Amino acid sequence: NAGVMQNPRHLVRRRGQEARLRCSPMKGHSHVYWYRQLPEEGLKFMVYLQKENIIDESGMPKERFSAEFPKEGPSILRIQQVVRGDSAAYFCASSRLYGDSTTGELFFGEGSRLTVL
Amino acid sequence: EDKVVQSPLSLVVHEGDTVTLNCSYEVTNFRSLLWYKQEKKAPTFLFMLTSSGIEKKSGRLSSILDKKELFSILNITATQTGDSAVYLCAVDWRSGGSNYKLTFGKGTLLTVNP
Repeated sequence: NAGVMQNPRHLVRRRGQEARLRCSPMKGHSHVYWYRQLPEEGLKFMVYLQKENIIDESGMPKERFSAEFPKEGPSILRIQQVVRGDSAAYFCASSRLYGDSTTGELFFGEGSRLTVL
Repeated sequence: EDKVVQSPLSLVVHEGDTVTLNCSYEVTNFRSLLWYKQEKKAPTFLFMLTSSGIEKKSGRLSSILDKKELFSILNITATQTGDSAVYLCAVDWRSGGSNYKLTFGKGTLLTVNP
């Protein structure tokens, strides 16, 4: 019963390149969340997705960042034209659906650490 | 403005000490408060609290929520070096008609020295 799987664990990009981070939720979980963590900072919400649907992207920067969760395959967080300030750990989490709403409990992946040179 | 505030930001103790970590929040449509432990990798779930005054306990860790005063505490008794980690508090809430989501505090870095 695998947990939340993220890859790559570490990614190095030069300024201007694209970064793609992948997340497969836990089995039976239909909701995916992406969080960003800067050094010595808490986890900052970015986006909340269900299959083929963005539910809440209020934490996503307006430019260069996008996320998807297709019907088949993992959720992808895409950062175009990366800048040094994008260097951070990006965590994916998933949750179950009880009735009409998700539980508060999120299960986190190990994170993807992006370094922009 | 920070909606979830943790204190202290860092704490150094000796093995065997008891520590209390604090989390205060100010949100609308509160649903639950959660504690996570993060040791250089994925945050791992500790507790979810939804009701005031009911203590949740797991081994040497315990937590309680006060919904009137809008805070929670996490207690760790007889600390061990393996308790060294960042302890994250998160609040599950929603703003107006939006969806529920977790908002995290900045965490408390606990260091337990032998």
